[in-house]
Amino acid sequence: QKEVEQNSGPLSVPEGAIASLNCTYSDRVSQSFFWYRQYSGKSPELIMSIYSNGDKEDGRFTAQLNKASQYVSLLIRDSQPSDSATYLCAVIRDNNNDMRFGAGTRLTVKP
Amino acid sequence: ETGVTQSPTHLIKTRGQQVTLRCSSQSGHNTVSWYQQALGQGPQFIFQYYREEENGRGNFPPRFSGLQFPNYSSELNVNALELDDSALYLCASSLLLRGGEPQYFGPGTRLTVL
Repeated sequence: QKEVEQNSGPLSVPEGAIASLNCTYSDRVSQSFFWYRQYSGKSPELIMSIYSNGDKEDGRFTAQLNKASQYVSLLIRDSQPSDSATYLCAVIRDNNNDMRFGAGTRLTVKP
Repeated sequence: ETGVTQSPTHLIKTRGQQVTLRCSSQSGHNTVSWYQQALGQGPQFIFQYYREEENGRGNFPPRFSGLQFPNYSSELNVNALELDDSALYLCASSLLLRGGEPQYFGPGTRLTVL
């Protein structure tokens, strides 16, 4: 079992729709969770960090964390073509500082 | 505030050679982590440096080594290059306080090994 798993996609949504990206992790002692966006040929860009169970909202983005289910998700409301990118889920385990990444989900927002 | 910078942008080497990649951390940050990203994959953790000491290492062989300098900049050295070392090498900096702080990436160095 991979430490961090994501659906590879591609996920395609129409402009203005809600895009839902999911991630599961295997290590129960994980404490810090991140979503990065990576455009083709570019480096990852931090979108959200979340540390506690529940929802965290930042503009059009909402991260959701459920530690009991070992599940973290990212919702993108009012999706725009400029949101088309690969979204990487990353996890830092307790007492450790190396981030473990999923393989990423490729999102396409169609005009 | 200056972001994370990396040099060079691109590099072509032949098998068996050695390479040094460089990274300058974001101002105010004290920790640098290095990642390798193969095409279509997520970044893989190589190692992290905090206050000039290695502070964690991923599943990479000893021919991958690094340094951190007093100004928190860092180098990644790879000896005896193999074809599979071809990848995007990413440096990320962070302000390590209690652990779990977010990391911010530089633009990366694209290494091609022929």
